[in-house]
Amino acid sequence: DQQVKQNSPSLSVQEGRISILNCDYTNSMFDYFLWYKKYPAEGPTFLISISSIKDKNEDGRFTVFLNKSAKHLSLHIVPSQPGDSAVYFCAASKPTNAGKSTFGDGTTLTVKP
Amino acid sequence: GAGVSQSPSNKVTEKGKDVELRCDPISGHTALYWYRQSLGQGLEFLIYFQGNSAPDKSGLPSDRFSAERTGGSVSTLTIQRTQQEDSAVYLCASSLGTLGDLGGYTFGSGTRLTVV
Repeated sequence: DQQVKQNSPSLSVQEGRISILNCDYTNSMFDYFLWYKKYPAEGPTFLISISSIKDKNEDGRFTVFLNKSAKHLSLHIVPSQPGDSAVYFCAASKPTNAGKSTFGDGTTLTVKP
Repeated sequence: GAGVSQSPSNKVTEKGKDVELRCDPISGHTALYWYRQSLGQGLEFLIYFQGNSAPDKSGLPSDRFSAERTGGSVSTLTIQRTQQEDSAVYLCASSLGTLGDLGGYTFGSGTRLTVV
């Protein structure tokens, strides 16, 4: 039973446009959500996070939205740049076990110049 | 060092042999994590260490897997009697605390393990 799902394996957008990456989860106990970016042959890099007390968190070009009732979060990148091309993972954890994160399978984003 | 360091970066081993993977976390980080990523999959939690507390080993897939963290710093993940399904990229990460501050982990570049 996959508790964190990224249903789109890949996404392609034009430079300057918005990229929207989606993530769904099934476990209502999840309370912390994070996004990571991964380039080939490197480890994932932390991007942005949100807890359930908020529905939006913004950091520069990156915004994460959380819809707790729908168990859905999304990452918006505006404007998208070619350097954003990478695999994006969402991750979730429970407040009672914040050291253990459950990751989705990732979405490969390609930003075309 | 400035980041999380893992060694070796690549390891090819014969089925049935034991392997040791090493992780040097960021100095001062009290939490250390091991994950693995199989081809086309997400990251799978294996184990994490937090300070002097007993590690959470709930993600270790079998008793062939073990990990230790010496002196609150360097960690070694050991896989005994390797099997082909153990082939994956093994990622180590560290953080100042656990995710209560939503700061995320800092990952190393991983060890690509291939069991032939």
